[in-house]
Amino acid sequence: SQELEQSPQSLIVQEGKNLTINCTSSKTLYGLYWYKQKYGEGLIFLMMLQKGGEEKSHEKITAKLDEKKQQSSLHITASQPSHAGIYLCGADPSGTYKYIFGTGTRLKVLA
Amino acid sequence: KAGVTQTPRYLIKTRGQQVTLSCSPISGHRSVSWYQQTPGQGLQFLFEYFSETQRNKGNFPGRFSGRQFSNSRSEMNVSTLELGDSALYLCASSSQGAYGYTFGSGTRLTVV
Repeated sequence: SQELEQSPQSLIVQEGKNLTINCTSSKTLYGLYWYKQKYGEGLIFLMMLQKGGEEKSHEKITAKLDEKKQQSSLHITASQPSHAGIYLCGADPSGTYKYIFGTGTRLKVLA
Repeated sequence: KAGVTQTPRYLIKTRGQQVTLSCSPISGHRSVSWYQQTPGQGLQFLFEYFSETQRNKGNFPGRFSGRQFSNSRSEMNVSTLELGDSALYLCASSSQGAYGYTFGSGTRLTVV
């Protein structure tokens, strides 16, 4: 079965620093979602990527899906304390609405 | 517009009891999914409903069940609770199950 592996598992950065979170799939992705979660809360949808080589940005967050559609990265520029939380990548590998998620990356931004 | 509403937010139950969690999706959304989130297993898919039909289910025992009503509201039920069922249960809705789900804030279930 397909799995999503995220790295790093946790990240502590100083405010203003850039950072990158990776999501690697064991099989080709046909759609990759990025979510952010505050501890104990629901997930907030960030972006969806579908095409190989696709890149999307929202405010200071940029997500990319590689050409082979097996790896995605989430890049945060000039991080702020408000970026802190858990970032999760998700996918519907078989198109049957049975979504899988990565293990998450816990981000802490020091002011 | 109102988001996905889950009730209750917190719940404490005793082993062996059963529990029912409720989810009201965004108006117009017909797809509702349920997930269990634990520190050890992460976010795991329970089941997905669309127009009152279960389209897919995850690898959970039969103690976990769900249903969806004609107004798209959904409930999930866990019978004979075990300590390991303690988790954050998340509900998410989508117009068709694609293009990203909107999640509720979750129900934190503690089994003692």
